[in-house]
Amino acid sequence: GAVVSQHPSWVICKSGTSVKIECRSLDFQATTMFWYRQFPKQSLMLMATSNEGSKATYEQGVEKDKFLINHASLTLSTLTVTSAHPEDSSFYICSALSTLLGGEAFFGQGTRLTVV
Amino acid sequence: DQQVKQNSPSLSVQEGRISILNCDYTNSMFDYFLWYKKYPAEGPTFLISISSIKDKNEDGRFTVFLNKSAKHLSLHIVPSQPGDSAVYFCAASPTGFQKLVFGTGTRLLVSP
Repeated sequence: GAVVSQHPSWVICKSGTSVKIECRSLDFQATTMFWYRQFPKQSLMLMATSNEGSKATYEQGVEKDKFLINHASLTLSTLTVTSAHPEDSSFYICSALSTLLGGEAFFGQGTRLTVV
Repeated sequence: DQQVKQNSPSLSVQEGRISILNCDYTNSMFDYFLWYKKYPAEGPTFLISISSIKDKNEDGRFTVFLNKSAKHLSLHIVPSQPGDSAVYFCAASPTGFQKLVFGTGTRLLVSP
């Protein structure tokens, strides 16, 4: 299947700092990328949808100024958690899909963010 | 409002037997359904999908059944193997290229 690489796989940062997470589609061009957040023992909650070259669409309740999403190319999307707080600690997962690959979304490995 | 529900948080099955994971949805606009397998601290891995024009899709040991009138789908794994132990999420979208809405997951444990 198609490969989506997410980096870093884990990160620890201090409160008030910013963290950038990268999501790359390695062997296909992703027309759309999604960012999810998963709390322990809970489902994946969609945070935002991004299409290459346009502004991300955020789900209700997600602060767009806090979670900055950039989808500058068809193979790269980034999520920046700004002014991180301990409550931002979570597992963040990106997914990517291409209209050429059918309707399946392919997921990155996830990033475990811990804010101390 | 949980649009996609997996009412069984866990399921235990013996190796070689059938595993049946269930999923219910409430949004009649959902047209495309997928199952993902997830290990701790990893991203979900796509297993199998089905569109609303079909009621069954099979891929090796995995079969997904869709009952549109009941807004219910199920994933059958036959025969179950210990390596199948993971959390399984069902997901739904209005079409094949839209954002996915995930269920809460079912943890499957297949014992030797």
